Amino acid sequence: DAKTTQPTSMDCAEGRAANLPCNHSTISGNEYVYWYRQIHSQGPQYIIHGLKNNETNEMASLIITEDRKSSTLILPHATLRDTAVYYCIVRVDFGNEKLTFGTGTRLTIIP
Amino acid sequence: AAGVIQSPRHLIKEKRETATLKCYPIPRHDTVYWYQQGPGQDPQFLISFYEKMQSDKGSIPDRFSAQQFSDYHSELNMSSLELGDSALYFCASNTRGFYEQYFGPGTRLTVT
Repeated sequence: DAKTTQPTSMDCAEGRAANLPCNHSTISGNEYVYWYRQIHSQGPQYIIHGLKNNETNEMASLIITEDRKSSTLILPHATLRDTAVYYCIVRVDFGNEKLTFGTGTRLTIIP
Repeated sequence: AAGVIQSPRHLIKEKRETATLKCYPIPRHDTVYWYQQGPGQDPQFLISFYEKMQSDKGSIPDRFSAQQFSDYHSELNMSSLELGDSALYFCASNTRGFYEQYFGPGTRLTVT
């Protein structure tokens, strides 16, 4: 699986959009970009994933650059409950592949 | 909606003892994954099962073993416990071919 690089930490004001970048310059053509988050010591939670097109669901939007070497997770209106560690994971998608967690971004939402 | 159930939620053991962690996947899920998260660390994959057969293996110590039973629940058996085994152990489940893994609340193991 390709390696990912994320900022160690970020702050965002409550109510504003939180933009979390991820670099995955060695991504292969069949690898997807996944985002999970872990709220303090809880089990990780799936957020969104994509291959090359931008994706949006009820939680977030995922913007993948045209060359697929980087992506941005957008939480459109951050709340205090979005304070968590966010993990960007790149992997092939056979449906039963393990998740390889790197060092994610600790996002703190400021009131 | 039903979630992944893990038991016990907290477990305290002494060095060299054994421990058994249990995981009950979401109904109709056929794949179970185990992850270990040490203090201040990120989750690390240990092992996974699909239809009661081991499907993948990560950095799981030889002292650990796991299996998936006919009702799809899974157990992680840990022997000769060491202080370094103190961690959160997460179980996740999904249906083969589905992209999302659903995580349980974890079992916090403390080895003294």
